[in-house]
Amino acid sequence: IQLTQSPSSLSAPVGDRVTITCRASQGIGSYLVWYQQKLGKAPKLLIYAASTLQSGVPSRFSGSGSGTDFTLTISSLQPEDFATYYCQQLNSYPFTFGGGTKVEIK
Amino acid sequence: VQLVESGGGLVQPGGSLRLSCAASGFTFSTYSMNWVRQAPGKGLEWLSYISSRSSSIYYADSVKGRFTVSRDNTKNSLYLQMNNLRVEDTAVYYCARDPWHPTTGHAFDIWGRGTMVTVSS
Repeated sequence: IQLTQSPSSLSAPVGDRVTITCRASQGIGSYLVWYQQKLGKAPKLLIYAASTLQSGVPSRFSGSGSGTDFTLTISSLQPEDFATYYCQQLNSYPFTFGGGTKVEIK
Repeated sequence: VQLVESGGGLVQPGGSLRLSCAASGFTFSTYSMNWVRQAPGKGLEWLSYISSRSSSIYYADSVKGRFTVSRDNTKNSLYLQMNNLRVEDTAVYYCARDPWHPTTGHAFDIWGRGTMVTVSS
């Protein structure tokens, strides 16, 4: 299963609403997760089961979608949110990742 | 709750390495585990899954037949035996915990800091 993330990068100011999309090449139900990765660090789980917020993750992050189309939304971008975001499908092996979306400061 | 990888380093093409992942702060024997890698400047690539009792094991096509995942629940440790290494295997290798649940499925909720593997002559 291939995952296509868009955009591959974006530039936005602090306070903006940001949306990242992830499209699967075939239906994966709700078995999609989102990670945040900062430079030189391990990925951090943000959202699992497409829309469930991981414990400790700020509520400005939200996920939605099912089947083939998914979105990650940051309602009000904060300085600490500048990072690369990855989606991953866990419906079937191999557990593929999207190509990533780099979120930069404008 | 912590995962710590070790065993990375410089190896020549065709060589072998064994990575380890030491778990602490949780009941390791009740969790499935995964290996993920990231080549320099590139995205994430899932490599392998092993269930809590090693009854289910899966690999990415890119490493099938060359890499072997295993675990020792008595030592709270996960391993990745890597043989016939190629230049394109150069990457940071992460282990990740997988708290599978029947309603929410898989997710990688705890990651180690990674260990660097460089394959070069």
